[in-house]
Order: sequence, then structure tokens, then C-alpha cells
Amino acid sequence: DTGVSQNPRHKITKRGQNVTFRCDPISEHNRLYWYRQTLGQGPEFLTYFQNEAQLEKSRLLSDRFSAERPKGSFSTLEIQRTEQGDSAMYLCASSLEGESEQYFGPGTRLTVT
Amino acid sequence: AQTVTQSQPEMSVQEAETVTLSCTYDTSESDYYLFWYKQPPSRQMILVIRQEAYKQQNATENRFSVNFQKAAKSFSLKISDSQLGDAAMYFCAYRRGYGGATNKLIFGTGTLLAVQP
Repeated sequence: DTGVSQNPRHKITKRGQNVTFRCDPISEHNRLYWYRQTLGQGPEFLTYFQNEAQLEKSRLLSDRFSAERPKGSFSTLEIQRTEQGDSAMYLCASSLEGESEQYFGPGTRLTVT
Repeated sequence: AQTVTQSQPEMSVQEAETVTLSCTYDTSESDYYLFWYKQPPSRQMILVIRQEAYKQQNATENRFSVNFQKAAKSFSLKISDSQLGDAAMYFCAYRRGYGGATNKLIFGTGTLLAVQP
């Protein structure tokens, strides 16, 4: 297993455009998390899936953000009508139910110009 | 709401020396987990060490150990025999115990550790 992977690694977009990121968790992990990390800050929780069910969403996740995890495998995070404040590193993590450790991917760095 | 505070934005240590990174947290829960994660420059975050709140014994992982003071809500990380590869951003994180409604990690703002040769 190669760990959690995220694509793309970098994305530059113009304000107002839509972007979509993908996360592939470790294959046997049924829990998947999205976090956002801005410069000089720790990661902040965005949302969490157990299998295909989205069980928790942060208040940070405005209605421009949507996440899916069809079939409980990979997940996508879409940001519509991007704003400069959306510029950040978007991290994905996965874990096994019953285990506390979350394994992180390399992140997708979004720059909104 | 739970919070995690790291009051040292930057630390520096000489190679082979020992350094301690500080972390305090606030929670009303009795069952929780605490973690230290390492994020090297341009590389992904990896778990360094984990502590279950119900365990009195401090966790150790090779050169890394913690000083967990539950009453004081303090969770410091000690790195012994520091190596150049230890240079990274270190994040302290909190997670509620099982049975809680959330599995999210709550992170501090991080401590950037430099290791001087």
C-alpha cells in the first residue's frame, strides 16, 4: 500500500472558477477526513466520512464547498466560485474504524489569483 | 469547545542535544487522545507519538517521549539525541475518545524546530 494519495498536488485557479480535488485513502480504511491548512496555522477540520456517509461537517465548510465519497472509496472535495481566501493546503487523511491514528496525504495546495 | 495551544512558534536545538516542545490543551472530556505529528518541509504529516488519556504512563517511541500531565492539561514532547532529520514543523493534536460524536483532530498552531549541525 502506498498510503494516502491526493491529486492534484498543486492547483492555481482564478477567482470565481470551480476546482475539484481527489483523495484516495489507504485501501482498507473506512474513515476519511478533509482538513484545511493555511500558512502558519495547524490543520482545521472540514468534514468526515465513514464509508460513503458524510457524518460531520465543520462550520468552515460553506455552501460553496461540497465533498463526496461515492462507494466509500475515494473522495472528492469541490469548491465552487473560488475566493482568494480559499487559498490553502487541503489535506486528506484516513483511518480504520476503532483506531485513533489518522494517516495523512501530501495535500493539494490551492492558489486562487 | 476543545482547544490546543502551542506557545513556542520556533525552537532550535543542536544536533545530538535534547529539546522539549510544549503543548497545553483545554477540554472537559475525561476520555481523549493526544498526538504529536511531524510535518517536514513540503512533505506529508506523520504521526510521531500518541498518548491515551486513561494511561498514566508516558508514551515513548525511540528518541521521542512525552510528559503527560492530565491535571495540568499539559502534553510536552521531548526529542533526545536530536538529528538533522528531526527538523520540521511539529503539531500537537487532540481527539475525543470513542463514544464521542466526532473523530476529528484539533491541532495547535505548530512549533517549527530547527536542528543546528
